[in-house]
Amino acid sequence: GDSVTQMEGPVTLSEEAFLTINCTYTATGYPSLFWYVQYPGEGLQLLLKATKADDKGSNKGFEATYRKETTSFHLEKGSVQVSDSAVYFCALNPNAGGTSYGKLTFGQGTILTVHP
Amino acid sequence: GAVVSQHPSRVICKSGTSVKIECRSLDFQATTMFWYRQFPKQSLMLMATSNEGSKATYEQGVEKDKFLINHASLTLSTLTVTSAHPEDSSFYICSATGGYNSPLHFGNGTRLTVT
Repeated sequence: GDSVTQMEGPVTLSEEAFLTINCTYTATGYPSLFWYVQYPGEGLQLLLKATKADDKGSNKGFEATYRKETTSFHLEKGSVQVSDSAVYFCALNPNAGGTSYGKLTFGQGTILTVHP
Repeated sequence: GAVVSQHPSRVICKSGTSVKIECRSLDFQATTMFWYRQFPKQSLMLMATSNEGSKATYEQGVEKDKFLINHASLTLSTLTVTSAHPEDSSFYICSATGGYNSPLHFGNGTRLTVT
């Protein structure tokens, strides 16, 4: 079945450091890929998405590129802020086309803490 | 602001009792709602999918008689954990969508502790 594997956390960085959170997936067909973020005390929010190979999703300075050859969707940000402290989830939807409708398969989540 | 409200945020109950968790869409009609369970340091596991007015579809390994899901209106779905036991202690999260090509919104989750 489908699966998503994220790098284990927690990840602790200083403000303005470079962030990478690795995500690899296993799926049949052509899934859509997502990154969700969960700030303390809040629900999951869609951060960015990519619907097909080589697509790059971006939002709030975060980026991730859909790499079919390596089945990866690593999250990056060039300069993190304290306000980026949250839990980040990589997810896939087996349906292509970009919608997040339907069953999502999540990674285990990565806790990011950014210190001033 | 939140578009999906999940209540309660925390609940502690005694073993053998039942607990109901509500998931409401605040400003849209949720034709489909999803219920997830999250164990510590693990990913969200989909428990069931509920469509308004019809029976929920449960994932393999999820006991439908244990986790009763009702989606009686376009703005409300409930998850009832019946005869709860300590192993049911977990974090339960709902999500809701207005349909295909509509955004998926998540509730803030409910921390259930069964003593």
